[in-house]
Amino acid sequence: AQKVTQAQTEISVVEKEDVTLDCVYETRDTTYYLFWYKQPPSGELVFLIRRNSFDEQNEISGRYSWNFQKSTSSFNFTITASQVVDSAVYFCALSAWGNTDKLIFGTGTRLQVFP
Amino acid sequence: DAMVIQNPRYQVTQFGKPVTLSCSQTLNHNVMYWYQQKSSQAPKLLFHYYDKDFNNEADTPDNFQSRRPNTSFCFLDIRSPGLGDAAMYLCATSRGKGDTHYEQYFGPGTRLTVT
Repeated sequence: AQKVTQAQTEISVVEKEDVTLDCVYETRDTTYYLFWYKQPPSGELVFLIRRNSFDEQNEISGRYSWNFQKSTSSFNFTITASQVVDSAVYFCALSAWGNTDKLIFGTGTRLQVFP
Repeated sequence: DAMVIQNPRYQVTQFGKPVTLSCSQTLNHNVMYWYQQKSSQAPKLLFHYYDKDFNNEADTPDNFQSRRPNTSFCFLDIRSPGLGDAAMYLCATSRGKGDTHYEQYFGPGTRLTVT
């Protein structure tokens, strides 16, 4: 079975706080891809990152960073020094080898950043 | 800028009255997807096209159909909308299937209301 779990339904922080969004996935495939998408109130899903199962290096892009750990089947996303514009729903997704490029989404985490 | 465009952004239809949503892309991507997203839920894949090859998800109701007349355009037809079909409909594109699972690029969505 393939599944993505985002246990945090909603997180509220004050601007400039760091926040980590958790993502745990399940798959029996050895080759798979993981993604994060941001969905602001406007509704459009914005691609943030793609990572394949053979690349466990952490990645940093500005205030965003991702921690991929195969040992715990997790792909967590950290926003450093959060800003009001970071307020959105964030989805973690899995694309496993057996399903070609079909995305299996988690249920999303709503992040609210207050000034 | 290359992008995924959806028209209209908001659509109101009557119960049982056929409605068509449209999507166009300037990315020249091989694959186009249609998702349904209900409030506070993850996007749910309805079907996708790889070039002209149509792939329907097993649980997509027969009420939903799609057409892709060319690379750039894809349409979602709802033959007899019910109240339960009110949702945001998202179109997405990606570079194609194969060994590498590419990220999907989403349009802004069409919010469908059924009265």
